[in-house]
Amino acid sequence: NAGVMQNPRHLVRRRGQEARLRCSPMKGHSHVYWYRQLPEEGLKFMVYLQKENIIDESGMPKERFSAEFPKEGPSILRIQQVVRGDSAAYFCASSPQSGANVLTFGAGSRLTVL
Amino acid sequence: KNEVEQSPQNLTAQEGEFITINCSYSVGISALHWLQQHPGGGIVSLFMLSSGKKKHGRLIATINIQEKHSSLHITASHPRDSAVYICAVTPAEYGNKLVFGAGTILRVKS
Repeated sequence: NAGVMQNPRHLVRRRGQEARLRCSPMKGHSHVYWYRQLPEEGLKFMVYLQKENIIDESGMPKERFSAEFPKEGPSILRIQQVVRGDSAAYFCASSPQSGANVLTFGAGSRLTVL
Repeated sequence: KNEVEQSPQNLTAQEGEFITINCSYSVGISALHWLQQHPGGGIVSLFMLSSGKKKHGRLIATINIQEKHSSLHITASHPRDSAVYICAVTPAEYGNKLVFGAGTILRVKS
């Protein structure tokens, strides 16, 4: 069981480019959460997805950010037209069901926008 | 005021010392989590609590639901315990996301 796999681990983009971050949940987990950790700040919830459904996106910025979790394949967090303020560590976590559960976190994807 | 407050923000201890990190929260919760994050590294879930006390190795976590307070204790601390310890809660109102404290930076010196 490989745990929660995130890739890429490190991504460098220039302003205006697109960033795609991928997350494969643990085997048997159908619930995926994305969190962002800005430099020198705490973690913040972004979005909660189940297969083919966005359940709660209350933490997502209104523009440029989108997330999906298709029937097949990993969950993807997409950031269009990146700006320097998007530089952060993006963590994915998964759980086997909704509600209060022990979450398994991935190692994170660190995005640097030049 | 943040919904989850941790103290201290920074903590330096000598190897072998008993360490306590505190967490207070202001919302009703269904669970509280303690997480560990090493520099540049991922996040590991240490405990999930809804009542009482849990122990794993040298780590002990307690929670007092009435006082909305939790503590994480590390006995016989070791330099490899150096990390950021993060308290997070699952609010009862919307149980599908975590609300995080700012973290406690722990450094254990040998």
